[in-house]
Amino acid sequence: DQQVKQNSPSLSVQEGRISILNCDYTNSMFDYFLWYKKYPAEGPTFLISISSIKDKNEDGRFTVFLNKSAKHLSLHIVPSQPGDSAVYFCAAKTGSARQLTFGSGTQLTVLP
Amino acid sequence: EPEVTQTPSHQVTQMGQEVILRCVPISNHLYFYWYRQILGQKVEFLVSFYNNEISEKSEIFDDQFSVERPDGSNFTLKIRSTKLEDSAMYFCASSESGVLGVYGYTFGSGTRLTVV
Repeated sequence: DQQVKQNSPSLSVQEGRISILNCDYTNSMFDYFLWYKKYPAEGPTFLISISSIKDKNEDGRFTVFLNKSAKHLSLHIVPSQPGDSAVYFCAAKTGSARQLTFGSGTQLTVLP
Repeated sequence: EPEVTQTPSHQVTQMGQEVILRCVPISNHLYFYWYRQILGQKVEFLVSFYNNEISEKSEIFDDQFSVERPDGSNFTLKIRSTKLEDSAMYFCASSESGVLGVYGYTFGSGTRLTVV
């Protein structure tokens, strides 16, 4: 059951360039989406979220775009920094449910 | 910044033994969760807990699992008779509101459970 998919297990980007991480979902009941960042030996850390009533949310260097018709969201990081190197998880939830459904993650490596 | 604290960071147990994983959520949070990540796989929801009872649980959370908030600060996950396939990183999380709002959960650093 892969309701949330991150098809790229890894991504390498040069410092200063844009990083684009992608996520697809199949459950049309999802109405809230979140991105988490995870460093080794740490728990996931909340990064940014978006409600299904919006198509864009921006927070500093991080922007999340949501395309509901395509059931696709993406996280843009610009400019990318070496400290951004981590595993990025996309997650989604439905209505009043509290559980999150996670994607498999994308390892981002930002090269100096 | 407030943290969710999990102990121990790594636990090794023999198959069939009971294990208790411990968590101290953020003090003013009301909702508590357990997730797990088997090596190389996705982070999976196990259970959510509010007002001293389970509010949601997944298919993974079968009769061998239980949760408890034994006092005002700890939140525990018990696995009664561990199996090899229970080996995973277990994450505790807490949130201030049932509506995740813009901040989502706060996760702990996890307990790596190894069943041998």
